[in-house]
Amino acid sequence: GAGVSQSPRYKVTKRGQDVALRCDPISGHVSLYWYRQALGQGPEFLTYFNYEAQQDKSGLPNDRFSAERPEGSISTLTIQRTEQRDSAMYRCASSPPGSNYGYTFGSGTRLTVV
Amino acid sequence: QQPVQSPQAVILREGEDAVINCSSSKALYSVHWYRQKHGEAPVFLMILLKGGEQKGHDKISASFNEKKQQSSLYLTASQLSYSGTYFCGTEYQTGGYQKVTFGTGTKLQVIP
Repeated sequence: GAGVSQSPRYKVTKRGQDVALRCDPISGHVSLYWYRQALGQGPEFLTYFNYEAQQDKSGLPNDRFSAERPEGSISTLTIQRTEQRDSAMYRCASSPPGSNYGYTFGSGTRLTVV
Repeated sequence: QQPVQSPQAVILREGEDAVINCSSSKALYSVHWYRQKHGEAPVFLMILLKGGEQKGHDKISASFNEKKQQSSLYLTASQLSYSGTYFCGTEYQTGGYQKVTFGTGTKLQVIP
């Protein structure tokens, strides 16, 4: 696609429910990243995929958070048993191979846990 | 470790210049610069790889001082469209992918 597409745009969920956030990167971008951005703060790294391989998950806060990218394209970030502290903007970014390119971020999913 | 940006906020009149600084306590591989307008996604401006290069396009340029582990973003003859929050992002590794740690941002407002 022309840009990085994320859905849903907004998600309100009750504490304890599971949520799945979807990211469709730019076609041909093998690198896919998930970040979390609190209001007024810079994005915070969560995890990285190279094609379908999750090569870095060091930023996932705890084992309630998981991510997958089974066919090397669309990725899903899942949060189980959501807590209020999980409320934030979740952004996906993709980039082409190589070190000279920055990220293209998606519009994000605003998650609110009530 | 999160890079430190300064200033935290700045207000400019159209046509004025500004400098935003980004510093790290760790050795850097590269520095990214992004601009984020309110309610929108961050947009990539440029990347500087270690080597002390300077880059720029239009009236926005940046430098990277590898020895001091610092980068500066220069905005000249500012326009209203330059308003937004600027984030520097730092990479500390060359593991074949970009793992960027973002600073807390500098809020820039350009007024007529």
